[in-house]
Amino acid sequence: EVQLVESGGGLVKPGGSLRLSCAVSGLTFRTAWITWVRQAPGKGLEWIGRTKDKTNGGTTDYAAPVKGRFTISRDDSKSTVYLQMNSLKTEDTALYYCTAGFCIGTTCHWDDAFSVWGQGTMVTVSS
Amino acid sequence: QSALTQPASVSGSPGQSITISCTGTSSDIGSYNYVAWYQQYPGKAPKLMIYAVSIRPSGISNRFSGSKSGNTASLTISGLQAEDEADYFCSSYTGSTNLVVFGGGTKLTVL
Repeated sequence: EVQLVESGGGLVKPGGSLRLSCAVSGLTFRTAWITWVRQAPGKGLEWIGRTKDKTNGGTTDYAAPVKGRFTISRDDSKSTVYLQMNSLKTEDTALYYCTAGFCIGTTCHWDDAFSVWGQGTMVTVSS
Repeated sequence: QSALTQPASVSGSPGQSITISCTGTSSDIGSYNYVAWYQQYPGKAPKLMIYAVSIRPSGISNRFSGSKSGNTASLTISGLQAEDEADYFCSSYTGSTNLVVFGGGTKLTVL
């Protein structure tokens, strides 16, 4: 069974930093692309960024609102993805999910269909 | 403001069919056949219901179907059941800086 488990959320002051972790099990982590999605209280889902596997360059992409402030990294030896969040703003308050797509045969849906999700970790930015 | 536009709420009676629309632009839904739909219960993580416009993942009831016309995608739920009451979100791949855009969500009420 594929499992994603987020951790690291909490209360932080505006301008502060926080690092979230996403521990992955049950899939071949080194070939997986992992995405972070957040959901502000009572609001919709927002894609914030993704890391590709190293075979595909290990590159990361970010949504405009977080680019330059958030950094996604991965440690294949620990099957863990990290989301380093700096210069946090009150509008970053949300439940942060890590999620992953899937492959069927040679067709992969890493960026367009998220079939497994963690339980989320709450980040509150407030003074 | 969400990138994709969904109605805030829809409702239907058990056994009826409902359709939730998801309107984007020529840069997202109109350009890619990568529309997905998610079901979310309160306090729970989203669940993938439809991907690639109309494909159901294994285990998803055939009461759920998806389609697309131009810049608008739709999710139809037939034979409504009480357990279908949830929030539904659409998403589309965009190929641009914001790789994926989501809709604002639609609350489905089963009367």
